[in-house]
Amino acid sequence: GAGVSQSPSNKVTEKGKDVELRCDPISGHTALYWYRQSLGQGLEFLIYFQGNSAPDKSGLPSDRFSAERTGGSVSTLTIQRTQQEDSAVYLCASSFPRDRGSYEQYFGPGTRLTVT
Amino acid sequence: QQPVQSPQAVILREGEDAVINCSSSKALYSVHWYRQKHGEAPVFLMILLKGGEQKGHEKISASFNEKKQQSSLYLTASQLSYSGTYFCGTHLNTGNQFYFGTGTSLTVIP
Repeated sequence: GAGVSQSPSNKVTEKGKDVELRCDPISGHTALYWYRQSLGQGLEFLIYFQGNSAPDKSGLPSDRFSAERTGGSVSTLTIQRTQQEDSAVYLCASSFPRDRGSYEQYFGPGTRLTVT
Repeated sequence: QQPVQSPQAVILREGEDAVINCSSSKALYSVHWYRQKHGEAPVFLMILLKGGEQKGHEKISASFNEKKQQSSLYLTASQLSYSGTYFCGTHLNTGNQFYFGTGTSLTVIP
């Protein structure tokens, strides 16, 4: 079946502009994560969605970052007034949850964001 | 909150074994292991749950010491395809955040 998809695959934007990154999880996966990976670094947790519950936004680095998930499926990560330090690969992952993380996460290919 | 992995990097010859360690300062509910090749997304290897349940690929083995909040990934008879960066990931006993470790770069040479 189809895996996790993300769009766009690459995004170059000017400092100060807003960007939207999209994630389509695997059908039926109710848990969805967003991560950020800077060049040569590990993955930084940003936000977690589970079904219709309120998302866990504790990893968002500033109020310029927001995310929503419509209909329990597609998710959009929005970065307002982008800064050069926002340049990174943004990865989305989905899974079946059972007691907080007992199922593997399937990752999308990521969106490479470059802020000039 | 970020787990610490060791070693940071390791180079192996084909057929050699390696152990990668992951240590957390917080009480853990589960530990995941993923491998990421350059320019690609992480790929699932194994999950270890509090209480002893494990799920993963047949050729991968790992351990989880709940008392010490430590996990180890055992790679035996390494193959060239094992090269990549290995990350542990942890769910704490409370909360929904998922923290990836600092990463271990593994290179297998002929």
